[in-house]
Amino acid sequence: KQEVTQIPAALSVPEGENLVLNCSFTDSAIYNLQWFRQDPGKGLTSLLLIQSSQREQTSGRLNASLDKSSGRSTLYIAASQPGDSATYLCAVPPGGSQGNLIFGKGTKLSVKP
Amino acid sequence: GAVVSQHPSRVICKSGTSVKIECRSLDFQATTMFWYRQFPKQSLMLMATSNEGSKATYEQGVEKDKFLINHASLTLSTLTVTSAHPEDSSFYICSARAPGGGGYEQYFGPGTRLTVT
Repeated sequence: KQEVTQIPAALSVPEGENLVLNCSFTDSAIYNLQWFRQDPGKGLTSLLLIQSSQREQTSGRLNASLDKSSGRSTLYIAASQPGDSATYLCAVPPGGSQGNLIFGKGTKLSVKP
Repeated sequence: GAVVSQHPSRVICKSGTSVKIECRSLDFQATTMFWYRQFPKQSLMLMATSNEGSKATYEQGVEKDKFLINHASLTLSTLTVTSAHPEDSSFYICSARAPGGGGYEQYFGPGTRLTVT
């Protein structure tokens, strides 16, 4: 059964710092991995999708890496801004499936001005 | 990118009544939609998988007679919470799957906040 773990659960950094969020999953037979952002009381905003054949994806100040064999992904945020404050969720499909997503509990990020 | 809408965004209902939530894919056809539930400070948990033209598949512990799902078209799935109770108060989010880039990406609606009084 696929399980997703995110570390740390919460992170507080001063504005301008670079930071890394971690995600691990137990079943490495995944088709892809997605990183989402969720603002309080809001829905999900898709940040990056990494297909299983890819090792990383970049969008602006965000870079996500995927090491499928070790069951790990990282989300790197460069030059953090107060507007980056949100909960970041990592999600993968069940192993060997392209069905629903299984989510980690998220990392709550606070970037202080 | 693909857009998924949900309606209503927020609903308050009395215990014992039923509430219908709509999920629409606006610019693509989705043969499969998913319904998730998120309790405060928890992550999203899958409730059911909705397939167009067939019965939904429910996750273990989710009552199919309480959470009625209808996927009548390729762009619309509905979730009806019947005989709602305060413990059903939660954030309900749908997603639709669309092909692209060699695999499938899921696009999420903005969510519906249900409060049962």
